[in-house]
Amino acid sequence: EAQVTQNPRYLITVTGKKLTVTCSQNMNHEYMSWYRQDPGLGLRQIYYSMNVEVTDKGDVPEGYKVSRKEKRNFPLILESPSPNQTSLYFCASSSGRTDSSGANVLTFGAGSRLTVL
Amino acid sequence: AQSVSQHNHHVILSEAASLELGCNYSYGGTVNLFWYVQYPGQHLQLLLKYFSGDPLVKGIKGFEAEFIKSKFSFNLRKPSVQWSDTAEYFCAVNPLGGGYNKLIFGAGTRLAVHP
Repeated sequence: EAQVTQNPRYLITVTGKKLTVTCSQNMNHEYMSWYRQDPGLGLRQIYYSMNVEVTDKGDVPEGYKVSRKEKRNFPLILESPSPNQTSLYFCASSSGRTDSSGANVLTFGAGSRLTVL
Repeated sequence: AQSVSQHNHHVILSEAASLELGCNYSYGGTVNLFWYVQYPGQHLQLLLKYFSGDPLVKGIKGFEAEFIKSKFSFNLRKPSVQWSDTAEYFCAVNPLGGGYNKLIFGAGTRLAVHP
């Protein structure tokens, strides 16, 4: 089954304790992205990656890092989490093409709810 | 800066009522437009999309949306809602020409349908 898998789904941590949220897709998609969802703000893009070793900042990158060493994986790293990073995080992927064939539709993971105390 | 506005943050309807959720975007160039739905406790799923051609697009579960280029709008409609339509709805815009598929989301509209 084509899917985007995130782990963990739920995590409670404390300020300053490094954590990684993993994201893996099995669709051979080139494009992957991380979003955070906060009430009243919708989804905001944190980082995205066009392909292996190609990453760039989204709208709210502060406090986050990413890496894309393999095509299927795109982990989100919080080096020193703070309470304002408490949020629901979504990973998404797509083939990355922007023509009108419908190829740039995002497939979302199930979400990771993170609480930083 | 590019942005997407959803005018209603919360909508409460009774079953069988008609639904229209507004969405406006600020970008002068060519765009792809999407509506995503998030049912309680679930991830986002694509409801419908507009890429080109007929500005009235039909999606799953009886939803449709109309792209009005002159108004920079892409409103979502359903003639008769059901209790199972209770969810949060997100409008999203993909500005073309940047070489990548950056998707800009609106803040979302939370719909509650009462039996």
